[in-house]
Amino acid sequence: DIQMTQSPSTLSASVGDRVTITCRASQSISSWLAWYQQKPGKAPKLLIYKASSLESGVPSRFSGSGSGTEFTLTISSLQPDDFATYYCQQYNSYSPIFGGGTKVEIK
Amino acid sequence: QVQLVQSGAEVKKPGASVKVSCKASGYTFTGYYMHWVRQAPGQGLEWMGWINPNSGGTNYAQKFQGWVTMTRDTSISTAYMELSRLRSDDTAVYYCARDQGDKWGEYQLIFDYWGQGTLVTVSS
Repeated sequence: DIQMTQSPSTLSASVGDRVTITCRASQSISSWLAWYQQKPGKAPKLLIYKASSLESGVPSRFSGSGSGTEFTLTISSLQPDDFATYYCQQYNSYSPIFGGGTKVEIK
Repeated sequence: QVQLVQSGAEVKKPGASVKVSCKASGYTFTGYYMHWVRQAPGQGLEWMGWINPNSGGTNYAQKFQGWVTMTRDTSISTAYMELSRLRSDDTAVYYCARDQGDKWGEYQLIFDYWGQGTLVTVSS
């Protein structure tokens, strides 16, 4: 099975900061990667798919990049609504696998 | 607008079964695959499998084969997930999630709409 590793597991940042989260795959997954945002007690929300395609309605401060085994999610200017946990998910294989999550906290 | 509304919280004893429903609205139910994903308390997300609401075909994650059953009732646009032989470590929030799909109606394994989640607690 493909393993997905996110780093860091927790990130402390301030409003207005540029934030970058990394996701690494144990083998190449081309660009078959999605990013989700989850707030406490809520369902995940799709942000990015195919590594860099922004889902409709998602603010442009979110962007994704990478291919192969290394990917990043960047928030260009962190807003109060962005404090949440972020998950990457590979869909290169028949069994989608999620990363362990990165919690973005208020500094 | 697309909505997925799940059934309410359940408390079950070890060894019992649970069946969670997911009622879809705002789109053509048979046009998009439906997935089930679970999340144990304080843990990450775990994909369980999908159902093709059009054909009824299913694909389960290897871990859940023989243990989970996904069905649907197209007359009421509802998908179901039944998990049997429950154990305490099956305590989790269970989500249904719609597949984004492609222009040919096939799955992409990208989850664009999610239900609100159903907490299943397994305790003696």
